[in-house]
Amino acid sequence: QQQVKQSPQSLIVQKGGISIINCAYENTAFDYFPWYQQFPGKGPALLIAIRPDVSEKKEGRFTISFNKSAKQFSLHIMDSQPGDSATYFCAASWGAQKLVFGQGTRLTINP
Amino acid sequence: EAGVVQSPRYKIIEKKQPVAFWCNPISGHNTLYWYLQNLGQGPELLIRYENEEAVDDSQLPKDRFSAERLKGVDSTLKIQPAELGDSAVYLCASSKNHDYEQYFGPGTRLTVT
Repeated sequence: QQQVKQSPQSLIVQKGGISIINCAYENTAFDYFPWYQQFPGKGPALLIAIRPDVSEKKEGRFTISFNKSAKQFSLHIMDSQPGDSATYFCAASWGAQKLVFGQGTRLTINP
Repeated sequence: EAGVVQSPRYKIIEKKQPVAFWCNPISGHNTLYWYLQNLGQGPELLIRYENEEAVDDSQLPKDRFSAERLKGVDSTLKIQPAELGDSAVYLCASSKNHDYEQYFGPGTRLTVT
């Protein structure tokens, strides 16, 4: 119940395309769902986050879609750029306690 | 605003040796976390502090790992003795009390030979 399952493990997208990464969770107590972006040799950086009372949140080219009934959420990167090539982690938390991370998706944007 | 600071950035030690990592959180952040990130995986929580108090250390292997945050600001994580399987990146994160947003430092990459 503590797990967050993320897919795919790796993803290759052409420049200008849409990158989509999916996550699923079991624990209905989770009340915060962030996405982190991590470049090699760097720590994870908070990208965007959503609470379960909304179905979508958009910040620039990044959108989280949230489906509470299915216990799934996804990250969409519009107009993907080579600079977006990184590893992306979904995560979940309850009560502002620890983050439970997915396994990560290595995204490569081909120019 | 300065981010989370960690040192050293890299450490190579032989097995059975001790090692320590240091973290200074973002100013004003009362909650501090230590996470372990194995290669190709997401971070996993080791310990969470609220001010000086360790409020969640259930995932900390207490036979060899210890941590302290004596004055409620910076923190030290220690491993003694280190084992080959401890090779990983040790990440520190911080947040304001009862705030969901956690901010990570660059991590310390530990290699145990």
